[in-house]
Amino acid sequence: AQRVTQPEKLLSVFKGAPVELKCNYSYSGSPELFWYVQYSRQRLQLLLRHISRESIKGFTADLNKGETSFHLKKPFAQEEDSAMYYCALLNTGFQKLVFGTGTRLLVSP
Amino acid sequence: NAGVTQTPKFRVLKTGQSMTLLCAQDMNHEYMYWYRQDPGMGLRLIHYSVGEGTTAKGEVPDGYNVSRLKKQNFLLGLESAAPSQTSVYFCASSYVDSYEQYFGPGTRLTVT
Repeated sequence: AQRVTQPEKLLSVFKGAPVELKCNYSYSGSPELFWYVQYSRQRLQLLLRHISRESIKGFTADLNKGETSFHLKKPFAQEEDSAMYYCALLNTGFQKLVFGTGTRLLVSP
Repeated sequence: NAGVTQTPKFRVLKTGQSMTLLCAQDMNHEYMYWYRQDPGMGLRLIHYSVGEGTTAKGEVPDGYNVSRLKKQNFLLGLESAAPSQTSVYFCASSYVDSYEQYFGPGTRLTVT
């Protein structure tokens, strides 16, 4: 069964501190993983995907198949990063996303 | 482009009442989805559609029905609302074989 686990409901850091939002997955095939973000009063939107290996708004995420993890990292958090972050796994057979329970990131000044 | 829109934005129902949530997209997407978002539960897929006239059950389909009579619209129906259906409902759409889903602004539903 496909499953995405985000162990932290809330992550609170100070501005300028490093951030790591944890995501672990279980999937029998070759996983495609994504991070979606929901800023206050905005729609849920795609932040980044593991295939592209890109950095968006200073965030990066590396797929570690050995540890079945896809943690989201940023070296220096900004107040505008405060949002709800969801890790998601694509079930390619049915074109469905399986979401984790989300982590709320709060960056304080 | 309006993207994905949802109607209504807010609604309060009494137990046993029925209602329909409307999702519309103007991006010519084949796939459409309905999710519910609950604290501590994340987003859970209710129903989805891979094309006009086709629908399928997601993770939590009980108590809901859907219809996709037109490609651009995806309706979610609650025949007899229950307090457990109090939630925020999100619609999303995507192209065929696309990893990126585009979400609507959400509908906040309260069932008393």
